Amino acid sequence: QKEVEQNSGPLSVPEGAIASLNCTYSDRGSQSFFWYRQYSGKSPELIMFIYSNGDKEDGRFTAQLNKASQYVSLLIRDSQPSDSATYLCAVNQNYGQNFVFGPGTRLSVLP
Amino acid sequence: AAGVIQSPRHLIKEKRETATLKCYPIPRHDTVYWYQQGPGQDPQFLISFYEKMQSDKGSIPDRFSAQQFSDYHSELNMSSLELGDSALYFCASSYGPGWYFGPGTRLTVL
Repeated sequence: QKEVEQNSGPLSVPEGAIASLNCTYSDRGSQSFFWYRQYSGKSPELIMFIYSNGDKEDGRFTAQLNKASQYVSLLIRDSQPSDSATYLCAVNQNYGQNFVFGPGTRLSVLP
Repeated sequence: AAGVIQSPRHLIKEKRETATLKCYPIPRHDTVYWYQQGPGQDPQFLISFYEKMQSDKGSIPDRFSAQQFSDYHSELNMSSLELGDSALYFCASSYGPGWYFGPGTRLTVL
């Protein structure tokens, strides 16, 4: 079992809809959680990070963390075609140390 | 804002050759990470440095070595290159929450 799991997709949503991306992790000691967006052939781009249970909002993006369920999600409101990319969930146990990436979910926003 | 710089952006080598990839972190970032991403795969952690000392080691082959210099830039040295080493190599730096990735070096081994 991979340490960090995501549905590979593709997840297709119409333009303007809410895209919901999910991630589960196996290490209960994980402390910090990150969402990255990666366009094909490009480097991952940090979208958000979250440490505490609950929701964290930043513009059209909301990260949700539930440590009891070992689950973190990313909601994208008002999805745009430019949001079409692979979204990588990353988890690390101790601040400052390496983190583990999930396999990524490919999102396709249809105009 | 300044970003992570990697050089070269593209590199073509033949089997058994050597390659050196360079990473210049964001100013004031003291931690550097190296990742390898094969086609269609998620990034795999290779090695990291904090304050010029190796801080963590992942799936880095013995043929590879890396170091961080006094100006915090880092170099990944790869020897006896194999076809399977063809990948995107990302460097990331951090100082606080979040890792910021460079544009990557695309290495092709022929």
